[in-house]
Amino acid sequence: QVQLVQSGAEVKKPGASVKVSCKASGYTFTSYGISWVRQAPGQGLEWMGWISAYNGNTNYAQKLQGRVTMTTDTSTSTAYMELRSLRSDDTAVYYCAGETGSSDAFDIWGQGTMVTVSS
Amino acid sequence: DIVMTQSPDSLAVSLGERATINCKSSQSVLYSSNNKNYLAWYQQKPGQPPKLLIYWASTRESGVPDRFSGSGSGTDFTLTISSLQAEDVAVYYCQQYYSTPSFGPGTKVDIK
Repeated sequence: QVQLVQSGAEVKKPGASVKVSCKASGYTFTSYGISWVRQAPGQGLEWMGWISAYNGNTNYAQKLQGRVTMTTDTSTSTAYMELRSLRSDDTAVYYCAGETGSSDAFDIWGQGTMVTVSS
Repeated sequence: DIVMTQSPDSLAVSLGERATINCKSSQSVLYSSNNKNYLAWYQQKPGQPPKLLIYWASTRESGVPDRFSGSGSGTDFTLTISSLQAEDVAVYYCQQYYSTPSFGPGTKVDIK
């Protein structure tokens, strides 16, 4: 079945970096893009950016420009999101999401990866 | 950037009754060339990722019960649950994908 499976929870110190993976299966990975969305504890959803799995083009949220990098490995159908210079307010569940349907809405989601930033 | 707002922040509805959630965008999300509203609704239950319910403002995702319906155009949209079931307790988010995606703050739906 169509699914996105993410890597496990991470605990990082302020100033460190984290790299979260998102492995796709059940569809042609290079036909669609992957977005990353995060959710701080008890808060709403924040779109972080998007990468085309076809050609690697990216579009990042302005507030994260310079700290985030999204990449893909088409040989393993895996997308990656790296966030640098972590701060305590980066503590959140990070989701990958794909738009494999007839619109650009996010019809598939990973299970989420909890990233905790704490000294 | 397009800012999304939702009302109410939360609501409690009796089982079998109607629940209505409103969503407003700071600018139109209607694309004139195809007459489609780039607006989606998601349901999120505790500890789970969001689930797509509605796209193009009113098209139900496959497998979504028909008690869920979406309406509206331009800048004002509504999600209606016609007969609330216990399993519908969740937070509901609207999202525009007309430009750089953005979500509303969410509406929590509970049983009265």
